[in-house]
Amino acid sequence: DIQMTQSPSSLSASVGDRVTITCRASQSISRSLNWYQQKPGKAPKLLIYTASSLQSGVPSRFSGSGSGTDFTLTISSLQLEDFATYYCQQSYSTPPDTFGQGTKLEIK
Amino acid sequence: EVQLVESGGGLVQPGGSLRLSCTASGFTFSRYGMHWVRQAPGKGLEWIGRIKSKNDGGTIGYAALVTDRFIISRDDSNDTLYLQMNRLKPEDTAIYFCSAGNPLLSWGQGTLVTVSS
Repeated sequence: DIQMTQSPSSLSASVGDRVTITCRASQSISRSLNWYQQKPGKAPKLLIYTASSLQSGVPSRFSGSGSGTDFTLTISSLQLEDFATYYCQQSYSTPPDTFGQGTKLEIK
Repeated sequence: EVQLVESGGGLVQPGGSLRLSCTASGFTFSRYGMHWVRQAPGKGLEWIGRIKSKNDGGTIGYAALVTDRFIISRDDSNDTLYLQMNRLKPEDTAIYFCSAGNPLLSWGQGTLVTVSS
C-alpha cells in the first residue's frame, strides 16, 4: 500500500501569512493527489484535486503543486476561516485511497 | 442540492454488528462511486472502502484493517449506500462518513459508532 506523510503535523501562523504544507507519497502517484480541509465538528471539504486543480468555489488563495512523490498545498494569504486541519489523499493506487495524517493549522 | 445523510450509528458491544446507511439526494446516485471514511475521536481521516458505480464495474475495495469484517453495498433503486460492520472492536469507535465521487467531492455529516461494553 502507498503511505502518505504530511509535514508539519501542526503549524502556527498569523492572518496574512503565506503557508505551505507538504505531502510525500511512499512511491510515485503521478498527479493523483487531492487536498481536503476539515473544520472541527464538520465533514471534510475538497479543495484541490489532481494535485493542482482548484475545486469550484474554493478561494484562489489556495493552490497545489507537485507530481510523483512530493506535493505542496499553499495558502497565499491566510484568512481567519482557513484555520483548520488539512489532509492529502492519494487516488493513484487503490484500494486503499490513503489519507495523510493531517496538518493542523492554528492561529499564532 | 447534493445531500448525503448517514444513519444507523450508536452504541454496540464488542463483537457485535451494526449496519450504517447513507441516503443520497440531489444527484444521480447510480453514476457515482461511493466511499466510507471514518474518524476516531481526536484522530485523522481513515479511508474504509469504496464501491464503484455499476457502469464502472461495481467493484468494491477495502482497507486492510476492515476487509474481513466490513461489507459495503449499494441499492441504486433507493439511492442508498450501506456499510455492514461485523465483529466490531473498541478501536472501530469513530464517526463514519459516506462520500461521493472520486475525488471525494460530497460528504455526509457523519454518524457516530461507539463500540464499548
